[in-house]
This record gives sequence, structure tokens and C-alpha cells, in this order.
Amino acid sequence: GAVVSQHPSRVICKSGTSVKIECRSLDFQATTMFWYRQFPKKSLMLMATSNEGSKATYEQGVEKDKFLINHASLTLSTLTVTSAHPEDSSFYICSASPGPKNEQFFGPGTRLTVL
Amino acid sequence: GNSVTQMEGPVTLSEEAFLTINCTYTATGYPSLFWYVQYPGEGLQLLLKATKADDKGSNKGFEATYRKETTSFHLEKGSVQVSDSAVYFCALRDSNYQLIWGAGTKLIIKP
Repeated sequence: GAVVSQHPSRVICKSGTSVKIECRSLDFQATTMFWYRQFPKKSLMLMATSNEGSKATYEQGVEKDKFLINHASLTLSTLTVTSAHPEDSSFYICSASPGPKNEQFFGPGTRLTVL
Repeated sequence: GNSVTQMEGPVTLSEEAFLTINCTYTATGYPSLFWYVQYPGEGLQLLLKATKADDKGSNKGFEATYRKETTSFHLEKGSVQVSDSAVYFCALRDSNYQLIWGAGTKLIIKP
């Protein structure tokens, strides 16, 4: 089956620093990747959709300068949380898809804690 | 707007018990409906889906029927196992192919 990895699985950082999270599709080419944020006991919130080689499309209310998304290849997308603050602490999940209308395959998530 | 509501957890059952996790939705048009499962330490996996009214999705002993009249897609399993312990998410896919998620229901099966 399709496998998506995320790295790191857990990260703790100081307020004001930047953190990069990687999302890789291991056995298929992901034309489209999605980034979600999950709050405790809440549903997944779509942050942005990225298509390989083009700029990400951000959902309303998501700061594009704060959450930088790069999808430079068909197997890798990165999410950089810039100048992280405690309110950015959350569980970040990526998914990858061969195309925007195809099934999404999910990574295991990254737990970010900002002190 | 589109939304998904599912029962709050955790749901705790004994092995071999019957399982129902309720899911209702609000949507315009005719969305596709999904159940995803997240086992501890793993990513979300598609469990089953249904794309039109009266369709029944099934997988690994789990079933859910797309009920348009009650806007529901309840997940059922006749006899649960300890290995079914996980978090279950109900979701719909809207006309823009975006997934709209329920809050998730944690299922705990005791031996």
C-alpha cells in the first residue's frame, strides 16, 4: 500500500525558533499534498493544499508567512513553522495523493511543542 | 457549510461486543462519506467509504451505510476485538474534493 512518512515524529522547541517538518511519499508520486492541524479532541483542520512545483493554497485564517509550505518534488513537501510560539503547539499531519481527486494517504503526524 | 458530527468518546467495550459509532453530516449536494482509523503511533488509514445514497461500505468486519434520509453514516461491527482499539474518524468529501472531518472517537476494547 501507499506509505507516507513524516519527520520528525516529535519536536520540542523554544519560542521564537523555526521548525521544519518533512512529509515524504515513499512508494508513489504525490502530485498533491495536504497539511492538517489537529487540536486535542478536535477534528483535523486543513491548513493548506500544495501541488508539486506551484505555490500552496492556504485555507482561510491560516497565515502563509507563518506556515511556509514547499512542495519541490513529487515525493517531498515541507512545512516550516516560523518564529514558533506556544499557541502553535499542536499535532501536524500531512497527506499525499497522486492527484487532487484521488485518495489521500496519511503520514503518522508530528507533535510540536513550543516552550 | 459542510460539517460532520460523531459521537464523543472514549467508547469502551468488552471483546466480542457489538459496536456502533454514530456519525451524521450536513452537506450540500451528494458528498462521498468515509471512515478512517488511526491505530496508536500510525497514520490515518481509510477503513471504508460510500459514494452514493444506500451504498454500504465494508472492510475488516466493519460496515457503514450511506443514509441520505437521516444524513448518517454510522459505523458498526458485530464482534469487536482488542486489536480494533483505535481512534475512528468520520469524514465527507465535498464538491471541491476536500475532506471535512469529525472530531474522532476513541475506541477501547478490553479483553
